[in-house]
Amino acid sequence: EADIYQTPRYLVIGTGKKITLECSQTMGHDKMYWYQQDPGMELHLIHYSYGVNSTEKGDLSSESTVSRIRTEHFPLTLESARPSHTSQYLCASSEYRGTQGDTEAFFGQGTRLTVV
Amino acid sequence: GEDVEQSLFLSVREGDSSVINCTYTDSSSTYLYWYKQEPGAGLQLLTYIFSNMDMKQDQRLTVLLNKKDKHLSLRIADTQTGDSAIYFCALSGGYNKLIFGAGTRLAVHP
Repeated sequence: EADIYQTPRYLVIGTGKKITLECSQTMGHDKMYWYQQDPGMELHLIHYSYGVNSTEKGDLSSESTVSRIRTEHFPLTLESARPSHTSQYLCASSEYRGTQGDTEAFFGQGTRLTVV
Repeated sequence: GEDVEQSLFLSVREGDSSVINCTYTDSSSTYLYWYKQEPGAGLQLLTYIFSNMDMKQDQRLTVLLNKKDKHLSLRIADTQTGDSAIYFCALSGGYNKLIFGAGTRLAVHP
C-alpha cells in the first residue's frame, strides 16, 4: 500500500477563500506531482517537483501555487478560490532510477474540492 | 509534445475478456504503466512493462507492447464486476513526467 496521504478528502469552500491542499509521502521520493481531474475525465499535470526547493508548472495552466520545503511535503495553495477551481486534485510521488527511468507513481486518494 | 490516446468506453459481459488499447507518440519511455481508478478514489498501479519487453503476464492481466506501432494493450481475463473502473495508460514523457491517457471506462455487465 502506498504511503502517500492527502488531506482533506473533501472540501467545500466559499468563493474568495484561501485554501491549502496537503500532500505528504513517507517513501522518501524525490519527485512529486499534482494532477487535476474532473469527474470521469483525464488527468492534467498542473505542478511537479524534482526535489526540495524545486517546483515546475505542468502542462495545464493553473492559478494554484506549490512549495517544496521538505522532501515529504508538497502542499498546493489557491489564494482566492473560484467555482472554476472545483475539481479533484490528485497528488503523486515517484523515485528516479537514473537511466532506467522513474519508478511507478504512487497516488494519494485525492481531494475533491467544491467552491461555491 | 507527447500524446497518449485511449478509447473512452468499453462494455463487456462478465466472464469475457476485456482488451483496453492505448497508442502513444513518444517512443523514448522506459516504462509504460496501467493504472486503475475506482469511483472517488486515487489511481492504483495495476501493472507496468519495461520498454524492451513485448509481453508481461500477471495473473488475469496481460500487457502487450508493440513498439513499432507504439501500441500498448491491457487484457483482463475472466472480467468480473469488480473490474469496473477507469483504466489509464501512462508513460514517462519528457523530463520524466508521467503522461496519462484520457482513461477508458470499463463497464462489466451480467
